[in-house]
Amino acid sequence: AQSVAQPEDQVNVAEGNPLTVKCTYSVSGNPYLFWYVQYPNRGLQFLLKYITGDNLVKGSYGFEAEFNKSQTSFHLKKPSALVSDSALYFCAVRAITGGGNKLTFGTGTQLKVEL
Amino acid sequence: DTEVTQTPKHLVMGMTNKKSLKCEQHMGHRAMYWYKQKAKKPPELMFVYSYEKLSINESVPSRFSPECPNSSLLNLHLHALQPEDSALYLCASSQDGSGVTYNEQFFGPGTRLTVL
Repeated sequence: AQSVAQPEDQVNVAEGNPLTVKCTYSVSGNPYLFWYVQYPNRGLQFLLKYITGDNLVKGSYGFEAEFNKSQTSFHLKKPSALVSDSALYFCAVRAITGGGNKLTFGTGTQLKVEL
Repeated sequence: DTEVTQTPKHLVMGMTNKKSLKCEQHMGHRAMYWYKQKAKKPPELMFVYSYEKLSINESVPSRFSPECPNSSLLNLHLHALQPEDSALYLCASSQDGSGVTYNEQFFGPGTRLTVL
């Protein structure tokens, strides 16, 4: 079964510092990985995805993620955090099913960026 | 138009009421999804429609009844809900519903449902 794990419930970082939100995956076959962000009382917004190719994936709002096959990780990064980046972040993996494009989400990481 | 819209934004209903949630997208996407999300938790998939046909039902109780009238619209009919069904209900769509492509899902803002 496909799954992702987000080991940190919360990450605190000072504005201007780099941020990392961790995600590890467990899949059979090729992994198809996604990052989403959710602001309070809002739906999820797509940030980026890894399907194949370059291990460094660039996404929206200055975010990027590094795919590491040997460590089965797909950590989300940003060089310089903003207070407005404070939100709930979900890593997800596409599950293989004949029924459709199904995502399995991690438990989420609350990012808090402080002045 | 690159968004998924959901109505209503908020809904309060009693356990004997019948109500419906509505979702709409005009991006030409052929897969649409309903998720249930509790506070600070990941979304839980409920249903997937692929090319207007129900392709996945994640063993959802029959008090939730999905409907896909056309490729742009998705409804969720609610009847005899329980207080534990109170949650944020999210609709999403993706470009290809065939299951062999890797398109991201676009989410609507959700309907905040409270069951009294």
